Amino acid sequence: SQQGEEDPQALSIQEGENATMNCSYKTSINNLQWYRQNSGRGLVHLILIRSNEREKHSGRLRVTLDTSKKSSSLLITASRAADTASYFCATGLGGAQKLVFGQGTRLTINP
Amino acid sequence: GAVVSQHPSWVICKSGTSVKIECRSLDFQATTMFWYRQFPKQSLMLMATSNEGSKATYEQGVEKDKFLINHASLTLSTLTVTSAHPEDSSFYICSAPSGNTDTQYFGPGTRLTVL
Repeated sequence: SQQGEEDPQALSIQEGENATMNCSYKTSINNLQWYRQNSGRGLVHLILIRSNEREKHSGRLRVTLDTSKKSSSLLITASRAADTASYFCATGLGGAQKLVFGQGTRLTINP
Repeated sequence: GAVVSQHPSWVICKSGTSVKIECRSLDFQATTMFWYRQFPKQSLMLMATSNEGSKATYEQGVEKDKFLINHASLTLSTLTVTSAHPEDSSFYICSAPSGNTDTQYFGPGTRLTVL
């Protein structure tokens, strides 16, 4: 079953603008991860944030986690055409290393 | 970084036939691998957890007799779709965690089309 809800489902912005995607989940988690998927391809791991962390950065990516609201956000700054992809949040539950994915946000960067 | 491969990358088969998909961890050992299914423009749905040396654990609603999983070695898991039907057409993706990390490494996926 799906754990997370992501919004927006689709986002279209101009190159250079910032893109923000949100993810909400239902149960307690150990960690939350963000992945990118280019059309018809596998997933690429972007960033992992643990339940005791509130914010994490990696290059142009910034992830926040609010466990009290059971939500996370992914910010991509200074977007590029190559950032066009679907972005998924996934929650890690317990020690089983299983991931439960959100519905994803389809991001389109217009040149 | 860790690399996971899948073979084949795409397959077309006739209804009623069986199809085997391989998932390999190329530069690390994986006692556990995961199989997902993704329909067009939808998210990944976990199908099962593949365990090296023991039976796979299937998610609710996934038929274990239809989706046979064999984790033959520490670097190979196979998913066999038996008696495939058009509704089994989907994108199948495997993943494996590397070591004790929580990060999953995903294969490139296999697109199955059943005619």
